[in-house]
Amino acid sequence: AQKVTQAQTEISVVEKEDVTLDCVYETRDTTYYLFWYKQPPSGELVFLIRRNSFDEQNEISGRYSWNFQKSTSSFNFTITASQVVDSAVYFCALSEESGGGADGLTFGKGTHLIIQP
Amino acid sequence: KAGVTQTPRYLIKTRGQQVTLSCSPISGHRSVSWYQQTPGQGLQFLFEYFSETQRNKGNFPGRFSGRQFSNSRSEMNVSTLELGDSALYLCASSLAGYSGANVLTFGAGSRLTVL
Repeated sequence: AQKVTQAQTEISVVEKEDVTLDCVYETRDTTYYLFWYKQPPSGELVFLIRRNSFDEQNEISGRYSWNFQKSTSSFNFTITASQVVDSAVYFCALSEESGGGADGLTFGKGTHLIIQP
Repeated sequence: KAGVTQTPRYLIKTRGQQVTLSCSPISGHRSVSWYQQTPGQGLQFLFEYFSETQRNKGNFPGRFSGRQFSNSRSEMNVSTLELGDSALYLCASSLAGYSGANVLTFGAGSRLTVL
């Protein structure tokens, strides 16, 4: 069965520091998708990125970057020059293609990121 | 365009009662899924609907049920409420069908408190 582990329960940094959120996954499928979502205090999960298992290119979007490494089953998320508005709970999630979209996402427990001014 | 709308946002029930939560997906989205979020268990998949059919259900007892209407709106129902059902219930919609690549758009959730 699939599993997602986010070992960091909470991270607190000072504004402008760089911070990396770790995500390790387990799956037996060869085709799968990895996601990151952000959950601000309002509660709504906001989609950040999706990666498929065949695309190991790193992705950069503004201050956000993602490092996908199949060899270590990791999909880490880095925020550069963090800002107070980045404070939220961040979730890593996995979806297997064999489920055809019907199996839902398997989420990690989330990392609560606190950016102090 | 309007996002995923969930009603009610907050509700309080007592043990043994039942509750119905509603979800209106983004216009054009045909797949709706539900998740339960608790501090202890985190985010857990409840069920997924596509074209009025429940395609899958997570590891939840039969007290949890749902349905999807022809306009893609969905409801979930929890009967005989227990204290442990207190949670944030999140609904998500996606454009189509049969792929694990579907990007889910989530609503703000319905926070249920069972006393």
